[in-house]
Amino acid sequence: GAGVSQTPSNKVTEKGKYVELRCDPISGHTALYWYRQSLGQGPEFLIYFQGTGAADDSGLPNDRFFAVRPEGSVSTLKIQRTERGDSAVYLCASSSARDSYNEQFFGPGTRLTVL
Amino acid sequence: GQQLNQSPQSMFIQEGEDVSMNCTSSSIFNTWLWYKQEPGEGPVLLIALYKAGELTSNGRLTAQFGITRKDSFLNISASIPSDVGIYFCAGQGNNDMRFGAGTRLTVKP
Repeated sequence: GAGVSQTPSNKVTEKGKYVELRCDPISGHTALYWYRQSLGQGPEFLIYFQGTGAADDSGLPNDRFFAVRPEGSVSTLKIQRTERGDSAVYLCASSSARDSYNEQFFGPGTRLTVL
Repeated sequence: GQQLNQSPQSMFIQEGEDVSMNCTSSSIFNTWLWYKQEPGEGPVLLIALYKAGELTSNGRLTAQFGITRKDSFLNISASIPSDVGIYFCAGQGNNDMRFGAGTRLTVKP
């Protein structure tokens, strides 16, 4: 079956622009996560959705970052007024439950480059 | 930022050798996980550990959840060229999951 997909795979933008990154989770997975991975580092948690609601957004670095999941499936990570430091790979993962550990399946990521 | 200390940062080994890497944390975790990531892809789960002291194997991979719940190790036996990649430990508490900085493994045939 289809895994987690993310679009675009690469995004190059200029400093100050707005970008949207999309994640299509595995069908039926209620939990969805966004991570940011900088070069040479492990993924850093940004936000977690259970259904349509953001259950934990403690990892969002500042108010330029926002994510939505209006129908409980596809999610969009939105970054306003991008900065060069936002350049990273943005990973999305989904899992079937949250209360007990269920494996998070990761997408291939979107590589964001801010010039 | 990262709360997990993962070592070594990189390893260059000969095919057939055994590999060991570990993670320590200042925080207690309920679950320890080990992932492998290859270029252009997201991390893939290798082993999940749920109880302190647990020792789990998955083929040539063996991992242990430390008794203090603040550390874990991963061993790979008889390495093969396709073991090349970056290995991440991850600790999960009540909410988010924290990753180590990764161990980059190179296997020379």
